[in-house]
Amino acid sequence: DTEVTQTPKHLVMGMTNKKSLKCEQHMGHRAMYWYKQKAKKPPELMFVYSYEKLSINESVPSRFSPECPNSSLLNLHLHALQPEDSALYLCASSQAGVPPQHFGDGTRLSIL
Amino acid sequence: KNEVEQSPQNLTAQEGEFITINCSYSVGISALHWLQQHPGGGIVSLFMLSSGKKKHGRLIATINIQEKHSSLHITASHPRDSAVYICAARSQGNLIFGKGTKLSVKP
Repeated sequence: DTEVTQTPKHLVMGMTNKKSLKCEQHMGHRAMYWYKQKAKKPPELMFVYSYEKLSINESVPSRFSPECPNSSLLNLHLHALQPEDSALYLCASSQAGVPPQHFGDGTRLSIL
Repeated sequence: KNEVEQSPQNLTAQEGEFITINCSYSVGISALHWLQQHPGGGIVSLFMLSSGKKKHGRLIATINIQEKHSSLHITASHPRDSAVYICAARSQGNLIFGKGTKLSVKP
């Protein structure tokens, strides 16, 4: 079982919908990450939170809005997405100051 | 040129074969990860190493820091080993991913 839990596993949404992806870890990690992965490509970093504060935003469009309500939870709010945003969204966590160590199973997102 | 290069890109093997996947990197690293990603998407960290060799079950990972090269070996391969294997370099607080090697093990 993965120690980073992501929900939902699959999500299909229209371009006008608002939805959220959720990530949870209880390892006491203070850094959490969102990655986007297109088919047959390596993961691409989107956001990094360190001690519940956004530390890195890799020029991600504003239709993706991250939130870290506490040290165990990381959300990614989605609004007005485009078909090209269809991808696997991976959450990861690590101790602060080191790269990701644990990955979730991902949410497979399809935009109609 | 990518900072982390893997070879081969695709690999098909018969059950029981010995498999080697290679990773070369051009940046300074503090450690190197080998990750496994199944078709469902989840990523599992297999190894993190900064020198020498590590073994876990049928999996062996080696790294040569001077040559900036790492290998992942699978002994007695099995169809359940079919997955994408990703090499990722820890460099300056970031994780730089290779493009992955897709392994298919046929029964």
